[in-house]
Amino acid sequence: DAGVTQSPTHLIKTRGQHVTLRCSPISGHKSVSWYQQVLGQGPQFIFQYYEKEERGRGNFPDRFSARQFPNYSSELNVNALLLGDSALYLCASSLGWGYYEQYFGPGTRLTVT
Amino acid sequence: SQQGEEDPQALSIQEGENATMNCSYKTSINNLQWYRQNSGRGLVHLILIRSNEREKHSGRLRVTLDTSKKSSSLLITASRAADTASYFCATDQGGSEKLVFGKGTKLTVNP
Repeated sequence: DAGVTQSPTHLIKTRGQHVTLRCSPISGHKSVSWYQQVLGQGPQFIFQYYEKEERGRGNFPDRFSARQFPNYSSELNVNALLLGDSALYLCASSLGWGYYEQYFGPGTRLTVT
Repeated sequence: SQQGEEDPQALSIQEGENATMNCSYKTSINNLQWYRQNSGRGLVHLILIRSNEREKHSGRLRVTLDTSKKSSSLLITASRAADTASYFCATDQGGSEKLVFGKGTKLTVNP
């Protein structure tokens, strides 16, 4: 079975622009979470979606938004990009509510110039 | 904010030696997990230990959990060059599936 897939792999954007990152979970997984990992730090939780509903939100500004589609894939949107948004964005999927093991995709490396 | 703190921040050992990494956390948890990350790519789940467990084994990995001290350790026995990676502990937020990661321990295993 394919693992979690993310696209694109790398992305370069300019300050003030908007970006959309995409994630496809492992087949059968209904929960998707997004994390931001700045260089030298551990991942920080941004959002969790389960059955197309937001189930958790981290301490990120409203410029960050996400959604989950009927096929359980997900998008993370970031508006008005700042230099500090440069990071590795990780998507993780799990079977669902109550299943704590998460399976991570390879990430999208976002560089904001 | 990051709940877990791994110690040491970096560890360099020779192939065949054992590697021990520690993690401390701040709030009560339902479970604690360890993940590995190679070269800034995706994380790989290694092991999950529940709050009512004290020790768990998986292959060359041994994890302990001391909830009274809010700490955990990961032992990798007979290390290999392929174990070179960053290792993170992650805790839940008391029932939430939100994972809170530490800053990680960067392990280098020299051939």
